[in-house]
Amino acid sequence: QVQLQESGPGLVKPSQTLSLTCTVSGGSISSGNYYWAWIRQPAGKGLEWIGHIYISGSTHYNPSLRGRATISVDTSKNQFSLKLTSVTATDTAVYYCATLDGGYVLNYWGQGTLVTVSS
Amino acid sequence: DIVMTQSPESLAVSLGERATINCKSSQSVLHSSNNRNYLAWFLQKPGQPPKLLIYWASTRGSGVPDRFSGSGSGTDFTLTISSLQAEDVAVYYCQQYYSTPFTFGQGTKLEIK
Repeated sequence: QVQLQESGPGLVKPSQTLSLTCTVSGGSISSGNYYWAWIRQPAGKGLEWIGHIYISGSTHYNPSLRGRATISVDTSKNQFSLKLTSVTATDTAVYYCATLDGGYVLNYWGQGTLVTVSS
Repeated sequence: DIVMTQSPESLAVSLGERATINCKSSQSVLHSSNNRNYLAWFLQKPGQPPKLLIYWASTRGSGVPDRFSGSGSGTDFTLTISSLQAEDVAVYYCQQYYSTPFTFGQGTKLEIK
């Protein structure tokens, strides 16, 4: 069974870049079995899709992020990453990484990591 | 974007009774090429990530008890818990994966009466 673990700074200053990594265990990120996704959830609120990537490099992003998000894969480390530029307080949320089976079904999730945007 | 609307926003049900949560999409999530509904249901407990319950509108996820069932097609869907257990207290979300950006409902909070 695939397991996912998010890591990265818990505090980011406004206007800076949020950078998170998701480490994959129990399977190879290069296998092609899954797409790799990021989702976020502000405290007490619902879930927002950020985007996802396939091993080929194909990506899809939520237009609501206005081009600020970039997702990439590092096959040598069995990791994938999220960068979100020009952050503001509204980007404060728990960020989850997840697998997307067949490009559709979110079947495995990391535990999530809280990122706070504050000076 | 496809807007997902859940009802009710909160629900209180007695242990052993049936719980029903509804989800409506702003456009059909039924793909004509394969007659599949691109709709999933998740359960989220406090401090935990969401857990997949149902996908393709009616297929239970791995290890999901059979008291959970999904139904519906097109734009109207239902999650039913046939006999509520204490461990089912959570927030439930529907999600469409018919088109990007994939979108979630606002959530339904299920409590014990």
